[in-house]
Amino acid sequence: SYVLTQPPSVSVAPGKAATIPCGGINIGRKSVHWYQQKPGQAPVLVISYDSDRPSGIPERISGSNSGNTATLTISSVEAGDEADYYCQVWDSTSDLPGVFGGGTKLTVL
Amino acid sequence: QVRLVESGGGLVKPGMSLRLSCAASGFSFSDYYMTWIRQAPGEGLDWISYISFSGVTIYYADSVKGRFTISRDDATESLYLQMNSLTVDDTAVYYCARGDCRGDSCYVDHWGQGTQVTVSS
Repeated sequence: SYVLTQPPSVSVAPGKAATIPCGGINIGRKSVHWYQQKPGQAPVLVISYDSDRPSGIPERISGSNSGNTATLTISSVEAGDEADYYCQVWDSTSDLPGVFGGGTKLTVL
Repeated sequence: QVRLVESGGGLVKPGMSLRLSCAASGFSFSDYYMTWIRQAPGEGLDWISYISFSGVTIYYADSVKGRFTISRDDATESLYLQMNSLTVDDTAVYYCARGDCRGDSCYVDHWGQGTQVTVSS
């Protein structure tokens, strides 16, 4: 089955940019979706189809995807951005097509 | 607005069964695929089952195949997960979620708040 790899943690100072990578073989050929999960809450979709922002998601959050890495970028990070972030793809060749990365804990210093 | 409310979680002993329910509202339930995703304590998201609109296509993760059964009732706009032969490894928060698909990819656009399932002797 398809495997998505994320670093366990990323730390960034307030006002700086945070980049969270999601690695997978030829992931650039797939659509990548990103979710934010704050402690004790359900996940929230923040990016779909590599770079589309749902309504209500700030423009500071963006996504890109190429080659073997998809990237979630949060520009000018705020304390409220501290959360776990998960990437996800749909792999039609797998028995269960929905695949999540292991998640990245974003810490705002 | 879209609303998904899970129920049916609780504390059970290994080997027992539970049936989770998810009441949907605020959208045309029959037009969407629905899914169950779980999260063990301190762990990541684990996609365990999916059912297409009309129930034509169903997927299960290997970890639950043969023990869990997903179903839907479009008349009552409800999603279910029958869980049998539960083990301690099934302890998690279980989320009901709505899926959307475009082209060859699907994702989750709305999540319920989750229901806790604890399996312990």
